[in-house]
Amino acid sequence: DGGITQSPKYLFRKEGQNVTLSCEQNLNHDAMYWYRQDPGQGLRLIYYSQIVNDFQKGDIAEGYSVSREKKESFPLTVTSAQKNPTAFYLCASSIGGGADQPQHFGDGTRLSIL
Amino acid sequence: GQQLNQSPQSMFIQEGEDVSMNCTSSSIFNTWLWYKQEPGEGPVLLIALYKAGELTSNGRLTAQFGITRKDSFLNISASIPSDVGIYFCAGRGSGSARQLTFGSGTQLTVLP
Repeated sequence: DGGITQSPKYLFRKEGQNVTLSCEQNLNHDAMYWYRQDPGQGLRLIYYSQIVNDFQKGDIAEGYSVSREKKESFPLTVTSAQKNPTAFYLCASSIGGGADQPQHFGDGTRLSIL
Repeated sequence: GQQLNQSPQSMFIQEGEDVSMNCTSSSIFNTWLWYKQEPGEGPVLLIALYKAGELTSNGRLTAQFGITRKDSFLNISASIPSDVGIYFCAGRGSGSARQLTFGSGTQLTVLP
């Protein structure tokens, strides 16, 4: 089945550590996205990539980094500079970045601080 | 930046009742999307709207793209227990505002 796979489902980070969240898609989509979700709030865009080897900052990119070396993979690193990293992280993809191409989501990774 | 106001924030309804929720924006959108999210999962796309005035159905769900292009509503008819979840609207503008903006969600609880 085609889809978006995020791993791990749950992740714990110690203070001062960097952690990397995985996102893989086998939908042959060009565009991929990372969102952060906090309780009672909508999704906020962290980074997005419309093509391999290119990515753009979203609304809340500070403290995060990404790479897009392969079309199917868009890992997100939460760095120690992100002071409030506890959240639910969602990865999405779409065929392209056009207005008529809706985004489809993975099942998320819940990150907690120890 | 663009802002979306989604209401109501939460709803408690009896099974079998109809439900309505809406989103309004501070700017014009070219696309409106409605998603449903269940606990511990990612949002699932329900309906996509691309033209002002468009009315689209998906089973018991109906959504409309407002004529002003600044609002959209979602109706659920004859609610059932599996309708429980958080419903999000999302809109996309044009130019530099092409990325999706999400509403804060409507938490729906269906009572048996």
